[in-house]
Amino acid sequence: EVQLVESGGVVVQPGGSLRLSCAASGFTFDDYAMHWVRQAPGKGLEWVSLISWDGGSTYYADSVKGRFTISRDNSKNSLYLQMNSLRAEDTALYYCAKDMGLRGSYGDAFDIWGQGTMVTVSS
Amino acid sequence: SYELTQPPSVSVSPGQTASITCSGDKLGDKYACWYQQKPGQSPVLVIYQDSKRPSGIPERFSGSNSGNTATLTISGTQAMDEADYYCQAWDEGVVFGGGTKLTVL
Repeated sequence: EVQLVESGGVVVQPGGSLRLSCAASGFTFDDYAMHWVRQAPGKGLEWVSLISWDGGSTYYADSVKGRFTISRDNSKNSLYLQMNSLRAEDTALYYCAKDMGLRGSYGDAFDIWGQGTMVTVSS
Repeated sequence: SYELTQPPSVSVSPGQTASITCSGDKLGDKYACWYQQKPGQSPVLVIYQDSKRPSGIPERFSGSNSGNTATLTISGTQAMDEADYYCQAWDEGVVFGGGTKLTVL
């Protein structure tokens, strides 16, 4: 079964740090780019970051650039998001999502989503 | 930065056709896709590359994209189609529309 399982979401104080993880199974992980997408309570989807199949290219939304770092370990079929200098507006459900495009192609659509992990930034 | 604009809400009667639009500058020059999200659930891809349906998505879901507007059309809308729908495109990064709440009444 194709599956993405996120973990690491907790309550953290403003200015704090957190690392989210996403474990992939059921597909050839290192063939696909991966994304993080977040959704604040009662709000819409917001794309956060993208990493290419080999980790060689990364992209970030302006709202997280310089504070968040995306990475992957293809030997462990895992995706990560290091979140630093957290703010109240980072409070959201964080999803990892698989890109449909094979290897060098990405950004067109996400065909697999995890269930999400909740990050709450509050004092 | 690039923006995609969707109507906040659309209403449709059961069995009728629902159309949800997504507007962006020269959107027709890019690929658009659509996600369905029901309360408490993760998004599900229903249309990709403007008009293609992933495996398992009913034929009543279709899409088009031309000029500045992409459109998701649901023919013979059913109560189970009531959900939030998001369009998405790529422009130096992934961009989502604000979402449209589809009500079937």
